[in-house]
Amino acid sequence: EVQLVESGGGLVQPGGSLRLSCAASGFTFSSYEMNWVRQAPGKGLEWISYISITGSTVYHADSVRGRFTISRDNTRNSVYLQMNSLRAEDTAVYYCVKSSNLNYYIDFWGQGTLVTVSS
Amino acid sequence: QSALTQPRSVSGSPGQSVTISCTGTSSDVGGYNYVSWYQQHPGKAPKLMIYDVSKWPSGVPDRFSGSKSGNTASLTISGLQAEDEADYYCCSYAGSYTLVFGGGTKLTVL
Repeated sequence: EVQLVESGGGLVQPGGSLRLSCAASGFTFSSYEMNWVRQAPGKGLEWISYISITGSTVYHADSVRGRFTISRDNTRNSVYLQMNSLRAEDTAVYYCVKSSNLNYYIDFWGQGTLVTVSS
Repeated sequence: QSALTQPRSVSGSPGQSVTISCTGTSSDVGGYNYVSWYQQHPGKAPKLMIYDVSKWPSGVPDRFSGSKSGNTASLTISGLQAEDEADYYCCSYAGSYTLVFGGGTKLTVL
């Protein structure tokens, strides 16, 4: 059974940093591309970050580029999201998601972790 | 990276059919046959319902169907059931390993 378990969310002040982790199981993690998707309270889904199988290729949405960094550790079956210079508008549930080959669609979602940016 | 355009809400009675549209551009929906649809119940994570415009993942009933014409994709749900009431999001591949979502549509089963 595929499982994606996010952790690391919480309350942080504007300008602060947070690192999200996602532990994967139930599939060959090192064979799949991964992403992070977020959802602000009462709002829609927003794709924010992609990482290739080896971690050599990453992409970020314009809204987080330069502030967020996605990475992965295939030895630990984990993907991470380092979030710096956080803003109030970054408040959201952050989902770790597993992708199809070549990232054409998302085929499994974690349960999400809530990040709240507030003073 | 502009969001795809979906109606904010649709509704239908049990047994009826409803269609949700998803309009993008030639850089996303119109440029690739990689539109997917997700169902999200309140407080839950989204679930894949349709991928590659019109394909079903294992376990998804064939009451859900997808199509695309030009820059607009559509999700049709036939034989509406109470449990279909949820938010639905379209998503398109937008090149260079990036994805773009629609704003979401709330489906109400009357």
